[in-house]
Parts: sequence; structure tokens; C-alpha cells
Amino acid sequence: AQSVTQPDIHITVSEGASLELRCNYSYGATPYLFWYVQSPGQGLQLLLKYFSGDTLVQGIKGFEAEFKRSQSSFNLRKPSVHWSDAAEYFCAVGASGTYKYIFGTGTRLKVLA
Amino acid sequence: DVKVTQSSRYLVKRTGEKVFLECVQDMDHENMFWYRQDPGLGLRLIYFSYDVKMKEKGDIPEGYSVSREKKERFSLILESASTNQTSMYLCASRPTGPLTYEQYFGPGTRLTVT
Repeated sequence: AQSVTQPDIHITVSEGASLELRCNYSYGATPYLFWYVQSPGQGLQLLLKYFSGDTLVQGIKGFEAEFKRSQSSFNLRKPSVHWSDAAEYFCAVGASGTYKYIFGTGTRLKVLA
Repeated sequence: DVKVTQSSRYLVKRTGEKVFLECVQDMDHENMFWYRQDPGLGLRLIYFSYDVKMKEKGDIPEGYSVSREKKERFSLILESASTNQTSMYLCASRPTGPLTYEQYFGPGTRLTVT
């Protein structure tokens, strides 16, 4: 069965530090992978997506993610975190044959000044 | 810009009431979704619709129904609200096409059932 795991429920980093949020997926074929961000009280905004080609994907707000098929991972990174990055981050995989997504449980990021 | 709007940001209802959550999108998308978001559980799909009057159950449809009479509008109905339906509800839409297309989300409705 398809699934998405975000092993870190909470992460705290200092402003200016680098960030990596982990996402592991279980999927039989080439996955369609997405990272969304949800600021407090808001809906979800797409950060980036991967479906084929270059395994390093650039997104908005200075985020990038790397697809590693051998590790079934799609980790999100940012070299220098800003206080405004404090939010909840969701990884999702597009389910085969449908337009449905399977979401991870989310990682809440706290940024220390 | 794609815009998905939800009728209320916050809603408080009593146990047993019938509750309607409305979602409207302005980009002529064929597909619309209702999710429920709970801490530690992420987003779980309640129902989705791939065309007017067409619907399909998601992972947690129990206690909910939906209505799609017009392409731009997708309603979630709680026939008899219960306290365990207190949650954040998110609507999303996307066009028919390659799986690379993303879903666009509304701002959410935080429903409290007392």
C-alpha cells in the first residue's frame, strides 16, 4: 500500500541555520511527490513537486528537495531558515490511477530568533 | 491565480445539528476534494468529486456526505454533527490532466462541535 512517513513531528532550528525535513514514501512505481507548507491558520501552499527528471527540485521561498529512489526519500531542505518559515510542512505522494494524494502526518517547524 | 474559497473560517455548532461546509473554486477545475486535518494525523481524504454530481468516498467518509450540483461548488454535509467531528476541514481542487498537476487548497474551516 502507498504511504508517506514524516518521522519528525517537531523540529526547532535557529534563524539562519540550515534545515532538512525528512519524508519517506512507499510506492510501487515512479511517484509524484509534493511538499506543501501550512502557515498558522492558513490553507496549504505548494512549495515544490517532483515527477521525473532532475532529482534536485527547486521550489518557492528558497526551498529545494532531493528525490532519492534508492532510499525512497524526498527530503526538503533550506540553507538558511528565516523566522517566517515557522509553519507545518506536509509531504504528499500522488496515488496511482487517481488524483488523490496521500499525505504524511506533517512536521511542525519552530524557528528561534 | 487559482482561488479556492471556503464559506467560513470558524464555525461552532451543537451536537446533532446539520452542518454545511461550502467550497467554491474559480478555475473551472473538474476535481474537488474534502479533507479533514487533525494533529498527528495529517490530512485525511473524506470525499472527492471528479465531475458534477459525481463523487467517490475517500478514506474516512463515515458521518459525512457531499453535494456537487455545479462545477465550481463542492459542499460537505455533516448530517448530525458529533463532537468527534471537531476538526479543521480543507477543500482542494485540481484540473483533470497529468498527475503532475497539483491540488490547490482553500484556507480551511475550523469546526467546533459542542
